Order: sequence, then C-alpha cells, then structure tokens
Amino acid sequence: GENVEQHPSTLSVQEGDSAVIKCTYSDSASNYFPWYKQELGKRPQLIIDIRSNVGEKKDQRIAVTLNKTAKHFSLHITETQPEDSAVYFCAATPLQPKFYFGSGTKLNVKP
Amino acid sequence: SAVISQKPSRDICQRGTSLTIQCQVDSQVTMMFWYRQQPGQSLTLIATANQGSEATYESGFVIDKFPISRPNLTFSTLTVSNMSPEDSSIYLCSVVIAEIPSTYNEQFFGPGTRLTVL
Repeated sequence: GENVEQHPSTLSVQEGDSAVIKCTYSDSASNYFPWYKQELGKRPQLIIDIRSNVGEKKDQRIAVTLNKTAKHFSLHITETQPEDSAVYFCAATPLQPKFYFGSGTKLNVKP
Repeated sequence: SAVISQKPSRDICQRGTSLTIQCQVDSQVTMMFWYRQQPGQSLTLIATANQGSEATYESGFVIDKFPISRPNLTFSTLTVSNMSPEDSSIYLCSVVIAEIPSTYNEQFFGPGTRLTVL
C-alpha cells in the first residue's frame, strides 16, 4: 500500500512568518493529495487539496505544491497567525478513494 | 459537504466489554470509512464499510475485534469488542461524496468518539 512520510513533526514559527510542511509518497498511482487541519479535540478539517494534473494550488494564505516526478508535495502557509496553530496532516490516495495519512505536523505560531 | 454525527461522543468502558459506535450522515454517500486516532498520533484506517456486505479491513484489523455494519447509504456502526486499555483511542467515521464516480473524492470526518478503557 501507499506510504506517506511527513516532516517536520513539530514546527514553531513567529507570527507573520511562513511555514512549510513537506510530505513524500511511495505509490505513483496516487493522484489526489488533501491537507487536513486538526485543532485540539476537534475533527480533521480539509483545508486544501491538489490533484495530480496540477502543480500548484493557492487559496488565500495557503498553497500546496506537487512534484509528481519526485513524489512529494508541500503545504505553504504565509503570514501565519496564532489561529493557524494546530496539527496538520497530509494524505495521498491511489485510484480508489482510500486515504493514507502522514504522521502529522504540530504547528505552533507564537504571537 | 455533509453533516456527519457520531454517537456516543465519548465513553468510559470496562475491559472485556464491547461498545458500538454509530455514524449517521445527512445525505447519501458513496463510501464510509472508520479510522482510529490514538493520542497524539495520526489517523489509521480500520476498514471500509460496504453497504449490504462485509467490510473491507486493513492489515492489522479483523472483523472479530471490529465488526462493522452498513445497512444503508447513510448509516454505519463500528463495534469495539472485548476491549482492553490498548483500545483507548478516538474513533472517527468518514465519508466520501461522489455523485459521479471519480478518482478525486473529498473526504469528510465525523466528530469522533473518544473511548477510554479502564
């Protein structure tokens, strides 16, 4: 099955700085890569996704890039705010809609 | 998106007992899944809940321990059987909504059930 690795496990940034979280995947058949944000005690919420026919996608302060050749994708958050503090999970899915999640990144944005 | 509810939201159980968790969706969905999230960990897929047939389990999970039902397109149950403290975790159901079969399927999560086994 698919193997998704995520780095770093923790990330601490100053408010206003940028944050980057990286994931790699193993199955070249994976074609959909969502990112989830999970606040403490809450369910994971989809924040952005990218499909294999696209190299980059942006939504306000959040962007995701995909390099299919290298099998890695990244989440970029600009102008970070304290409310961005949460655990972020990447995921990859092969042709069937079965999701394989990364290990998570705990982002701490310091005011 | 879809409105997903789970019951119970949390429970404390004695070892050796069983707990059934319910997942209800407000619209017909194509696929439903059950995940486990241990404290501070990522999400691990337990099984795919198939309507009207046996669930499809991931490696390391078996039907005797985690029996799953899905009688229709909007409802599923997960039972955690013969519980031990190692089963203490958050259990989440998730759904995929795809009106047209597609390889790009957004997945949404229920609020989770926090289980503590003493």
